[in-house]
Amino acid sequence: GENVEQHPSTLSVQEGDSAVIKCTYSDSASNYFPWYKQELGKRPQLIIDIRSNVGEKKDQRIAVTLNKTAKHFSLHITETQPEDSAVYFCAALWGGGADGLTFGKGTHLIIQP
Amino acid sequence: GAVVSQHPSWVICKSGTSVKIECRSLDFQATTMFWYRQFPKQSLMLMATSNEGSKATYEQGVEKDKFLINHASLTLSTLTVTSAHPEDSSFYICSASAHEGRVGYTFGSGTRLTVV
Repeated sequence: GENVEQHPSTLSVQEGDSAVIKCTYSDSASNYFPWYKQELGKRPQLIIDIRSNVGEKKDQRIAVTLNKTAKHFSLHITETQPEDSAVYFCAALWGGGADGLTFGKGTHLIIQP
Repeated sequence: GAVVSQHPSWVICKSGTSVKIECRSLDFQATTMFWYRQFPKQSLMLMATSNEGSKATYEQGVEKDKFLINHASLTLSTLTVTSAHPEDSSFYICSASAHEGRVGYTFGSGTRLTVV
């Protein structure tokens, strides 16, 4: 099955700086890579996703890059703000929606004021 | 947008009792629903995949007789934790997917189960 590795487990950055979280996946057939933000006790919220036919996607301060050859994808958050503090999970999926997502272990992002 | 409702949001039960958790897709038909479990400060682990009208597919290591899943309609899936024990205490969360040529996952709000 798919295996997703996520690094770092904890990331602390100064407010206004950029944050980068990286994930690698094992199944070259995976074709969908979402990123979720989860605040304590709440459901994961999809913040951005990318499909295997695209190398980069951007939405305001958030961007995701995908390197299919190396089987890794990254989340980039620029101009970080206190409300960005949360746990972020990457995930990978193969197929058209019939399978569950395989999640990374999560990154606790801390924005220092 | 797609909305998934999960109920209850939290439950406390005694050891040996059973607890049912409901997951409903409110504005779309969910062909497939997924059940995840999340222990404190850990990631989401897929427990099982349920397709409407058929038996659920369980991930390795998940006891199907302990975690009963029913997906009787395109808008409702239930997870029943049978003979609950303290080690079953966790955050259970469902997600739903609609097969319409797209991949989309909407998560329910989660259920915090505490077994005492």
